[in-house]
Amino acid sequence: KQEVTQIPAALSVPEGENLVLNCSFTDSAIYNLQWFRQDPGKGLTSLLLIQSSQREQTSGRLNASLDKSSGRSTLYIAASQPGDSATYLCAVSPQEGGLVNDYKLSFGAGTTVTVRA
Amino acid sequence: GAGVSQSPRYKVAKRGQDVALRCDPISGHVSLFWYQQALGQGPEFLTYFQNEAQLDKSGLPSDRFFAERPEGSVSTLKIQRTQQEDSAVYLCASSPNRQGRVSETQYFGPGTRLLVL
Repeated sequence: KQEVTQIPAALSVPEGENLVLNCSFTDSAIYNLQWFRQDPGKGLTSLLLIQSSQREQTSGRLNASLDKSSGRSTLYIAASQPGDSATYLCAVSPQEGGLVNDYKLSFGAGTTVTVRA
Repeated sequence: GAGVSQSPRYKVAKRGQDVALRCDPISGHVSLFWYQQALGQGPEFLTYFQNEAQLDKSGLPSDRFFAERPEGSVSTLKIQRTQQEDSAVYLCASSPNRQGRVSETQYFGPGTRLLVL
């Protein structure tokens, strides 16, 4: 069974500092990896999706890297702002079964980020 | 242009009661998912519908859990004889895509927080 681990569980930084969030997974046979943001009382919002053949994806201040062979991904958030305070979750979909199983996301427990003004 | 909605947002049940949780997906979305998110954990996959067909129910934790989507739109997750370990946030997600591209386009609802006393 795929196990997804996120370290640290919580992080508090002053505004302007860069954030580094880590995600590791035990089975490298993945179809893709996503980073989500979860705000209290709200659903998940997809931030970045990296296909298994890619090494990184960028969107604005966000950059995510993927090292599939070592089972690791890192989310970098540059110049953090108080509005970045949220829980960040990574999730992988399995390669097994081809495309038909891509909906079976395995999530980590998340990293809760607090950016202090 | 409404997103995925879920009701009720909060539910308190006495142990042994039956509960029904509703999900209204984005109009026209083919695929629908239910997840269970325990406190401090990532979401766990419960079940997947493509239109009215329940293609995967492998994540349902026991036969007390039942999900349906009779007309291929609104879905209901029913939990019979609730137990304290059922306390969690139940998330619903929908996608306009079928298997093979679903993981790239899941839109999540705000969840129903269930507390079983």
